[in-house]
Amino acid sequence: SQTIHQWPATLVQPVGSPLSLECTVEGTSNPNLYWYRQAAGRGLQLLFYSVGIGQISSEVPQNLSASRPQDRQFILSSKKLLLSDSGFYLCAWSVMSRINYGYTFGSGTRLTVV
Amino acid sequence: QQQVKQSPQSLIVQKGGISIINCAYENTAFDYFPWYQQFPGKGPALLIAIRPDVSEKKEGRFTISFNKSAKQFSLHIMDSQPGDSATYFCAASITGGYQKVTFGTGTKLQVIP
Repeated sequence: SQTIHQWPATLVQPVGSPLSLECTVEGTSNPNLYWYRQAAGRGLQLLFYSVGIGQISSEVPQNLSASRPQDRQFILSSKKLLLSDSGFYLCAWSVMSRINYGYTFGSGTRLTVV
Repeated sequence: QQQVKQSPQSLIVQKGGISIINCAYENTAFDYFPWYQQFPGKGPALLIAIRPDVSEKKEGRFTISFNKSAKQFSLHIMDSQPGDSATYFCAASITGGYQKVTFGTGTKLQVIP
């Protein structure tokens, strides 16, 4: 069966520090991968998506970046965190198919920038 | 045109009652309409989904009603239970491509005993 792993679960980082969040998927090949951010009590904002290794598309300009070094690995990074980067970060995957089964989300990372 | 409008923002329902959440869309190219359920501190999970070739889909206490001409769809939770208390997101997507999903803004449901 397919599983998605996200870590860490919680993270407290000072302003100006770097960030690296990792997401890995098991049990599927060539998934579409996504990073979403959810501010407290708010909706889901798509940050990045990837349809293949090294292929990253950005939806929202910001000081975050994403990379996909392996087929089932997706990394969200920042060189210098801002207070506004605080939020709940979610990784998700889907398989490109005519039969659309929607997204499967990870358990999320709660990031607090202090 | 890519937006999905969701209402209400929050909802309080008595145990045993019916919870109803509504969504509307503009893009007629959307052909897949899932609903996600999110508990606090967890990622959203796919709850139920429908395609526009049917007007209703039922899974247990959860029913999606779909009105293609009005470009609206809704989630009905029958016999609502305190365990249903969560945030619900409607969504819409176009099959194929990289499967970008457009989410509604979410409805926080509280079911009180």
